[in-house]
Amino acid sequence: GQQLNQSPQSMFIQEGEDVSMNCTSSSIFNTWLWYKQDPGEGPVLLIALYKAGELTSNGRLTAQFGITRKDSFLNISASIPSDVGIYFCAGGGSNYKLTFGKGTLLTVNP
Amino acid sequence: DTGVSQDPRHKITKRGQNVTFRCDPISEHNRLYWYRQTLGQGPEFLTYFQNEAQLEKSRLLSDRFSAERPKGSFSTLEIQRTEQGDSAMYLCASSLPLETEAFFGQGTRLTVV
Repeated sequence: GQQLNQSPQSMFIQEGEDVSMNCTSSSIFNTWLWYKQDPGEGPVLLIALYKAGELTSNGRLTAQFGITRKDSFLNISASIPSDVGIYFCAGGGSNYKLTFGKGTLLTVNP
Repeated sequence: DTGVSQDPRHKITKRGQNVTFRCDPISEHNRLYWYRQTLGQGPEFLTYFQNEAQLEKSRLLSDRFSAERPKGSFSTLEIQRTEQGDSAMYLCASSLPLETEAFFGQGTRLTVV
């Protein structure tokens, strides 16, 4: 099935550093969502974006819905060890089902 | 309500056996989704329900797979004659009407041996 292009595939950073990851698609989406998944668990919703150009924050997380509606990015500021996990972007269309990226594996070194 | 609940969390089965998974969505959510996730990949859409009606099925959902949501509350996903390629995490999610924000359960990890 179709998946979004998510980059980078993995990141290894020091605690306190900022992180940026992005997602691109050849298709337009009405909604962009960002999820975090821990090993053996289901994805947990972090941020939802509904309008092109929208910039939304949730604590240390900031995400933007690209103007072209074909991309989104997620920033994490001042990373902490519990930020470790896999981050997924997901695009939502008019039928409400989600198309996911392959994920970005984040490792934070204390 | 504590969120989307899936049962069992883990299932090991022999090839050729049938398995059934259950999902209980968040109570006020009328949309329910099933996704499948394999190692190193993001979740892939399988099917979704609005109330008891199954509105869309992915081509990934072969004729060995069937999903039901008989009373518009919980849902079951059955896999008949399991194959090793069916080994994956099966995720259930639910959402409010006209909302794209989907909330996921903890998943059922299926291993076919």
